[in-house]
Order: sequence, then structure tokens, then C-alpha cells
Amino acid sequence: NAGVTQTPKFRVLKTGQSMTLLCAQDMNHEYMYWYRQDPGMGLRLIHYSVGEGTTAKGEVPDGYNVSRLKKQNFLLGLESAAPSQTSVYFCASRGTGLAGEGTYTQYFGPGTRLTVL
Amino acid sequence: DQQVKQNSPSLSVQEGRISILNCDYTNSMFDYFLWYKKYPAEGPTFLISISSIKDKNEDGRFTVFLNKSAKHLSLHIVPSQPGDSAVYFCAAYKNNAGNMLTFGGGTRLMVKP
Repeated sequence: NAGVTQTPKFRVLKTGQSMTLLCAQDMNHEYMYWYRQDPGMGLRLIHYSVGEGTTAKGEVPDGYNVSRLKKQNFLLGLESAAPSQTSVYFCASRGTGLAGEGTYTQYFGPGTRLTVL
Repeated sequence: DQQVKQNSPSLSVQEGRISILNCDYTNSMFDYFLWYKKYPAEGPTFLISISSIKDKNEDGRFTVFLNKSAKHLSLHIVPSQPGDSAVYFCAAYKNNAGNMLTFGGGTRLMVKP
């Protein structure tokens, strides 16, 4: 049981290039999330999905697109990378389960460090 | 406007003593709170949580306290250990918006041997 995995771990892009970050989870979770972490700002939600085939905007969605074609995978795309998108990106997932405190816990992947030059 | 704030960017504590990490929030609609711990080059890991219907939740060395009237929660670690050195994030869910978690900016805890 690998939990949440992210590919790649590191990436350097030039301004204007595109790329896709892959997140995979093997916990059969319905919900998946993409966050970015910047110094002193905690984690900010980019996009999320409440199930296969669904996506929704989070707090900072501009410049990013996502797709959830399979329940276990959540892809984050940058169409035209900008230096402002230099950040560490985290994917997370959570199940629905029964009502209760454990239902709300999100499980995070190890992160992707992206630098845009 | 940050709805969840951790006003202390860093905290240094001696091994064996108590560590108290604080978190304030502004939105009274938040009804479920979590603490995450993060080591460098790793993803955040869940530590402990509390529902707004409680004022305390305990798990081993970790206790979270919630003061709803003050919109304040705190994480107590007793006794602190060097392995607890990490960045701690508090996070909150809003009532009827369980899909979106709002994070504070984090507090770096350093436990000195």
C-alpha cells in the first residue's frame, strides 16, 4: 500500500513550457486535491475532485488545469509555465467513509518541487 | 485575508519540556480542525484533529485544545522530543464545505537536545 505518490519529484521548466504532474492513490479515495506550498503561506488549494470525471476550482486555480479520468489518478497541468508558479506541489486524497472525525483526514503525497526559470 | 493564522513562524523548546503551538481563525463557520506535521522534503502527515463540538482531544503526547469563543486552538506536545522538530500546520474545514481545507502558514518547531 503506497498511499499517495507523485511524479516527478523535481522539475525545472523554462517560461512558457508546459508540463503535467501526476498523482496516484491506492486507497480507493473519492476526493483528491492539488495544493501548492510557498514560504510563509502554508498550503493553498489549486483544484480538487470529488470523484472520477469531476473537477472544481480551489483558492488559486489560475494557470492550472486538472483532469480525473480514473479514480486513482489526478493530473495537474501547467499550459504555459511562469516564474510565479515556482513552488512545491502536493497532492492529497481522502475517503468519504462513515461520518466521524477520521472522514476529514487528507493524506498527502511527498511533493513535486517545480522551478520555472 | 488569511482565515487561519499561525502567528509564530518558529518556536524553540528544550527536550522534555512542553511545546505549545497556537492557531487562530476568523471564520466561525469552521467546524473541524486538524494539525499536520511536515518534515523537509516530505509531504504533510496527519497528527491530530478535533471537532467543534469538543474542546479537547488527546492522542499520546499530543493534545489539541479548542476555544470556540476565542476562535483559537492550540497543540500541546508533552514531553517534547528532538524528533518532533518539524513544521506544524493547523487547518480547518468549513461547515457544509467539507471538500476544502484552509491551512495556516505553519510554525517551525525546534526541539533542542
